Amino acid sequence: DSGVTQTPKHLITATGQRVTLRCSPRSGDLSVYWYQQSLDQGLQFLIQYYNGEERAKGNILERFSAQQFPDLHSELNLSSLELGDSALYFCASSVEGDPRGTIYFGEGSWLTVV
Amino acid sequence: GNSVTQMEGPVTLSEEAFLTINCTYTATGYPSLFWYVQYPGEGLQLLLKATKADDKGSNKGFEATYRKETTSFHLEKGSVQVSDSAVYFCALSDRGATNKLIFGTGTLLAVQP
Repeated sequence: DSGVTQTPKHLITATGQRVTLRCSPRSGDLSVYWYQQSLDQGLQFLIQYYNGEERAKGNILERFSAQQFPDLHSELNLSSLELGDSALYFCASSVEGDPRGTIYFGEGSWLTVV
Repeated sequence: GNSVTQMEGPVTLSEEAFLTINCTYTATGYPSLFWYVQYPGEGLQLLLKATKADDKGSNKGFEATYRKETTSFHLEKGSVQVSDSAVYFCALSDRGATNKLIFGTGTLLAVQP
């Protein structure tokens, strides 16, 4: 158990809909990362937050957005969903300032768009 | 930009065989290097890491040495077990303003009894 908690574990939704994925980082970790894993794109970095502020942005679509709340949990919002958004979405967390850069991953949220 | 290249899979081995999964990287500066493992139906688990040149990371019988001269971080295990069957990802962290990881494409390892 990495200490990173993601909900829901699985969800199925229709095209055009909107979903929210939730993540609780490890106790004490200020940084939260979101990754997307799909068969054709592999593991892609989407976005990072540190203590409520956006820190880095990767291959995140404009239809997607994220935020980190004062209690440090984070949410990833996916809207106008398309079939190609079906993927495993990982949340991860780390201690800011750790030069070793170890990042711990949750078990992921499986999203299926039908 | 920074990138990671892994050998293509799948890698199919018999139990107790020697394992090598090649990983090379391109990076500016001195990244930290990682191997993550994903067992069927599960999330990513950190397997081992190395933070500077010539460091050797090890865990559960797996080893990898950070080779700056060849920009490599190959994963090895002397005797694999069926339970090692999984997808293995090599990754680097640029240790800049963000510690985000850049992953290779993953290598599927299938160990047969």
